[in-house]
Amino acid sequence: DAKTTQPNSMESNEEEPVHLPCNHSTISGTDYIHWYRQLPSQGPEYVIHGLTSNVNNRMASLAIAEDRKSSTLILHRATLRDAAVYYCILRDENTGNQFYFGTGTSLTVIP
Amino acid sequence: DADVTQTPRNRITKTGKRIMLECSQTKGHDRMYWYRQDPGLGLRLIYYSFDVKDINKGEISDGYSVSRQAQAKFSLSLESAIPNQTALYFCATSWTGSDTQYFGPGTRLTVL
Repeated sequence: DAKTTQPNSMESNEEEPVHLPCNHSTISGTDYIHWYRQLPSQGPEYVIHGLTSNVNNRMASLAIAEDRKSSTLILHRATLRDAAVYYCILRDENTGNQFYFGTGTSLTVIP
Repeated sequence: DADVTQTPRNRITKTGKRIMLECSQTKGHDRMYWYRQDPGLGLRLIYYSFDVKDINKGEISDGYSVSRQAQAKFSLSLESAIPNQTALYFCATSWTGSDTQYFGPGTRLTVL
């Protein structure tokens, strides 16, 4: 199973951009990069995913390195509601739709 | 109304008891999953099912069994609960052709 490495925690000021990094040096050519987040006392929720090209949606942007060994989730303006644990996950195509969650990055947003 | 529901939300039981956690979904998805989360850790996959007749073991299936009674229902059983099965359990769903998984609110299980 492909692994990801994320910082344990990060802080951001409210209304400033946040860049959450993820390293996945053993990624295979067919692995999609997924980001989920888990708000306190809730189940994880989907944020964004991509394969090679950068992706944007209403929640965030995903920047993928050209060699695909790292990626960055970008929250353009952090709000207090963005305080959560953010998981960077590789979907292993060889094992169907299995996700391998790491420990994630705990994001604190400072008012 | 929640699309993925889990019952019970909280359960305290004793070592050796049989426990069933239930998951129901109204999303019409064909795929369902059970994960467990231990304090300070990410989620680990226990079992997953791609349709009613398909059951697959995940990373940590020992001590657990599942039943896919219908497309909308997926149950997780602990035949003889032990204290190290104390954890938060999440059910998730997805559909063929999409990577996105939708999670339920979780069941907090404590085994004394």
